[in-house]
Amino acid sequence: AQSVAQPEDQVNVAEGNPLTVKCTYSVSGNPYLFWYVQYPNRGLQFLLKYITGDNLVKGSYGFEAEFNKSQTSFHLKKPSALVSDSALYFCAVSGAAGNKLTFGGGTRVLVKP
Amino acid sequence: DGGITQSPKYLFRKEGQNVTLSCEQNLNHDAMYWYRQDPGQGLRLIYYSQIVNDFQKGDIAEGYSVSREKKESFPLTVTSAQKNPTAFYLCASSIPQRFEAFFGQGTRLTVV
Repeated sequence: AQSVAQPEDQVNVAEGNPLTVKCTYSVSGNPYLFWYVQYPNRGLQFLLKYITGDNLVKGSYGFEAEFNKSQTSFHLKKPSALVSDSALYFCAVSGAAGNKLTFGGGTRVLVKP
Repeated sequence: DGGITQSPKYLFRKEGQNVTLSCEQNLNHDAMYWYRQDPGQGLRLIYYSQIVNDFQKGDIAEGYSVSREKKESFPLTVTSAQKNPTAFYLCASSIPQRFEAFFGQGTRLTVV
């Protein structure tokens, strides 16, 4: 069975500081990894994905994520956080193309001015 | 505009009633999914369908039913057997070549 862990329920960061949201995963075979963001009462918006290739993946709105196979991690990062980045962030994994996604519990990010 | 449309945005259900949530996509995606989101929790998979006329149970299928008669439509029925249906329901679709799933805006179901 595949699983995702987001160890932090909430991350607080000052505007302009670096932002990191942690994610570890467990899956059979090669992982397909994703980050999504959710604003209140809205659906999920796709941020970025890792399928293969470069371990550092760049996505929307200045976000990036680093795939670390030995640590089975896929942490989301942003060099300089904005107040508008305050939202709920989900990490997800799939064990094969087209297979179902398994989501982590989500991490709420609060960026303070 | 291409996308996934969920309706209604808000839905109220009386105890013992069945209700159906609509999900329509014009992205020509083969796969469609239904997730349930509860406050403070992640998304849990209810049902998914990878092709028309076929669907599989997810992790929390009890008390729910689906159909996939058309590629663009994947309605979810919340039956009276679902003991705690109040939640935010999200529909998604994907194609294998793109890997990522695209989500609708969600339906908030409340039992009154």
